[in-house]
Amino acid sequence: EIVLTQSPGTLSLSPGERATLSCRASQSVSSSYLAWYQQKPGQAPRLLIYGASSRATGIPDRFSGSGSGTDFTLTISRLEPEDFAVYYCQLAITFGQGTRLEIK
Amino acid sequence: QVQLQESGPGLVKPSQTLSLTCTVSGGSISSGGYYWSWIRQHPGKGLEWIGYIYYSGSTYYNPSLKSRVTISVDTSKNQFSLKLSSVTAADTAVYYCARERTTVTHWFDPWGQGTLVTVSS
Repeated sequence: EIVLTQSPGTLSLSPGERATLSCRASQSVSSSYLAWYQQKPGQAPRLLIYGASSRATGIPDRFSGSGSGTDFTLTISRLEPEDFAVYYCQLAITFGQGTRLEIK
Repeated sequence: QVQLQESGPGLVKPSQTLSLTCTVSGGSISSGGYYWSWIRQHPGKGLEWIGYIYYSGSTYYNPSLKSRVTISVDTSKNQFSLKLSSVTAADTAVYYCARERTTVTHWFDPWGQGTLVTVSS
């Protein structure tokens, strides 16, 4: 069973800054199966990135994904107030534990 | 666009069976190409995949829940359902239904809004 480990657990940044979130798999995986989600309080997760680097429909281009093998990254180039949320990576039926992005 | 909506009791007694239904609108479950899934989130915790069903009726369940889970589909109503038996307080969670893509890539989109199910006497 592949385990996904996200880091950091909590990231404190200010609007306008760049956010870099990490997702590490316990073994090498196909990037085609790596996705990222955003979840705000009281809402369902929203698909942001699939195939490690493809933006889902309607997702702003400040969100980008990259990586291969065991290491994957979600980058938010310039944080907007609405970007502060919890972010999850997903591979097949496994989710990471999440990174909370909070306002500094 | 495709939308999903969960429905069912918000309170279930211990040892009973949790039953939820997901109604799909804006698209047909029978169109193929996608699986239809249930995912849950314990309060303040991460996401746990429960299982999926294809319109043909084929299913796959999380091994950790397999003995207690049944997912079924009603294509005439464009719905799929979850049954989780012998529930305990540990099954208290927000339950989401979602469309799952597994061909070439793998993602869940869209999701229902989620429904909180509390297990308590």
